[in-house]
Amino acid sequence: GAGVSQTPSNKVTEKGKYVELRCDPISGHTALYWYRQSLGQGPEFLIYFQGTGAADDSGLPNDRFFAVRPEGSVSTLKIQRTERGDSAVYLCASSPRLAGVNEQFFGPGTRLTVL
Amino acid sequence: DAKTTQPTSMDCAEGRAANLPCNHSTISGNEYVYWYRQIHSQGPQYIIHGLKNNETNEMASLIITEDRKSSTLILPHATLRDTAVYYCIVRVGPSGNTPLVFGKGTRLSVIA
Repeated sequence: GAGVSQTPSNKVTEKGKYVELRCDPISGHTALYWYRQSLGQGPEFLIYFQGTGAADDSGLPNDRFFAVRPEGSVSTLKIQRTERGDSAVYLCASSPRLAGVNEQFFGPGTRLTVL
Repeated sequence: DAKTTQPTSMDCAEGRAANLPCNHSTISGNEYVYWYRQIHSQGPQYIIHGLKNNETNEMASLIITEDRKSSTLILPHATLRDTAVYYCIVRVGPSGNTPLVFGKGTRLSVIA
């Protein structure tokens, strides 16, 4: 079946601009996660959705970052007033809500470059 | 912060077993050990997880010490396609959906 998809694969923007990154999880997966990964580092948790609601947004670095999942499927990560330090690969993962299974399936990521 | 310690890098000859160690001395009784790997330019991929018993699947084996303070991921016959960064993660599971806390992982290079 189809895996997690993320669009765009690459995004170049200028400092101060607004960007939206999209994640399409595996069909039927109720949990959705956003992570970001800087060069040479492991992925860093940003926010986690269970259904439509954000169950844990403790990883969002500041109020410029916001994410939504209005229908419990597709999610959009929104970054306002981008800064050069926001440059990273943004990863999305989804997971089924099944007893004994909580493996996370990751997408290929969106590489964001802020000039 | 990650609760695990892993070597920064390792090499392994193709066809040989790759043994990747991980220390997790502060693991709690309800925490499992998970392993993921990340091949260059891809998202992380789940490999295996365990609580206290050794586990084996089609990808790898996981050996957890009796005191659960360390573990070893074993790739029995490494191939060039196993070159990746391997992450050892401890988390409550498997019934929960808690986020993964990644460290820097071990960069495994499989050499022909």
